[in-house]
Amino acid sequence: SQELEQSPQSLIVQEGKNLTINCTSSKTLYGLYWYKQKYGEGLIFLMMLQKGGEEKSHEKITAKLDEKKQQSSLHITASQPSHAGIYLCGADITGANNLFFGTGTRLTVIP
Amino acid sequence: ETGVTQSPTHLIKTRGQQVTLRCSSQSGHNTVSWYQQALGQGPQFIFQYYREEENGRGNFPPRFSGLQFPNYSSELNVNALELDDSALYLCASSPIPGLAGEGDTQYFGPGTRLTVL
Repeated sequence: SQELEQSPQSLIVQEGKNLTINCTSSKTLYGLYWYKQKYGEGLIFLMMLQKGGEEKSHEKITAKLDEKKQQSSLHITASQPSHAGIYLCGADITGANNLFFGTGTRLTVIP
Repeated sequence: ETGVTQSPTHLIKTRGQQVTLRCSSQSGHNTVSWYQQALGQGPQFIFQYYREEENGRGNFPPRFSGLQFPNYSSELNVNALELDDSALYLCASSPIPGLAGEGDTQYFGPGTRLTVL
């Protein structure tokens, strides 16, 4: 959607490398959600951020929401082939929990 | 706890036909949202149902309609199918619509792949 910009569109990294995916909104975020999708499948929930400056981690994945609540980053440490997939940020920009999504970042991890 | 399920998995229709897609929400969830995901794009919000009423709608024409049943399961109906309706249709459920906190998190089903010829 035009409300959310995700970058990069695709990323190819060597196993063990760190990487960052960015998500920028043109509007203040009521909630920011990170999902992972395998090609043609449903979305798997990773993390939800709501407060400016908030940071959450799960295993080797860390997500942050900036103070102004208009940008989020997803950082993967020591990437593994199991991290490969499409990462989508979804944002609630109206407060009604109707999510707008970016176009996704396709991550390939080379063993 | 049962996750979100969708049926059918795949569907092939011809232009002008009508289609019904089904979704069973996750146990304990009373809100269902539908999304359309075209190839290479992020999901686009179609509409949301809460307590059997439409509770928000995206930029989709009226030929996209839905229902929610007392058991919180839901249907998406699309009339007069067009070639551009070919997409992955995703259903997501959440406990509470529009309230702050983790309870807002939407959990997605595996999707229904619709092909319109």
